[in-house]
Amino acid sequence: IAGITQAPTSQILAAGRRMTLRCTQDMRHNAMYWYRQDLGLGLRLIHYSNTAGTTGKGEVPDGYSVSRANTDDFPLTLASAVPSQTSVYFCASSPDSSYNEQFFGPGTRLTVL
Amino acid sequence: GQNIDQPTEMTATEGAIVQINCTYQTSGFNGLFWYQQHAGEAPTFLSYNVLDGLEEKGRFSSFLSRSKGYSYLLLKELQMKDSASYLCAGLDSNYQLIWGAGTKLIIKP
Repeated sequence: IAGITQAPTSQILAAGRRMTLRCTQDMRHNAMYWYRQDLGLGLRLIHYSNTAGTTGKGEVPDGYSVSRANTDDFPLTLASAVPSQTSVYFCASSPDSSYNEQFFGPGTRLTVL
Repeated sequence: GQNIDQPTEMTATEGAIVQINCTYQTSGFNGLFWYQQHAGEAPTFLSYNVLDGLEEKGRFSSFLSRSKGYSYLLLKELQMKDSASYLCAGLDSNYQLIWGAGTKLIIKP
């Protein structure tokens, strides 16, 4: 692994189903983030984690949950998907939660029908 | 409230210079980032400004005026590969990035 990876690349999901988007980084970054990107809107922060074992809510956390059991992994779970969660999801990481640039994964394109 | 404003789309000619403007309102301010995003790809970091003035990095430069809540990204000697969206983001007092919707830059030969 080099950098930050996400899986799956894309997914079509029936409404009401549970889905976990995976994110893994090998840069030993402390901070990790989940964003969604919708046409005409800026990236919106869903959840973040400043360090392993801690998580926080971003701008649009409803319907999503995260965990940070270790430094490398930061999965995002949709407990019961709804069509409004159709979006491109980006995971990002940074050395810490302050001034550092964020490094982005390639994204997951999720369609909820 | 927090807000980042930037033009939706701009067009420029190969070899020319283009300036993409961004105005911001954030709760506290810890700097201004510019990212590039090619269609279907992830954003990649271009620049970070926290002090007033111009930061030059090759063909790209970024300017910040904290008193005016204003930044711009200047791209010189435009190349076709510069066709992308350019995202402006302000870092607020909680060190969270507030993102603009992005400026789609179209380069014509």
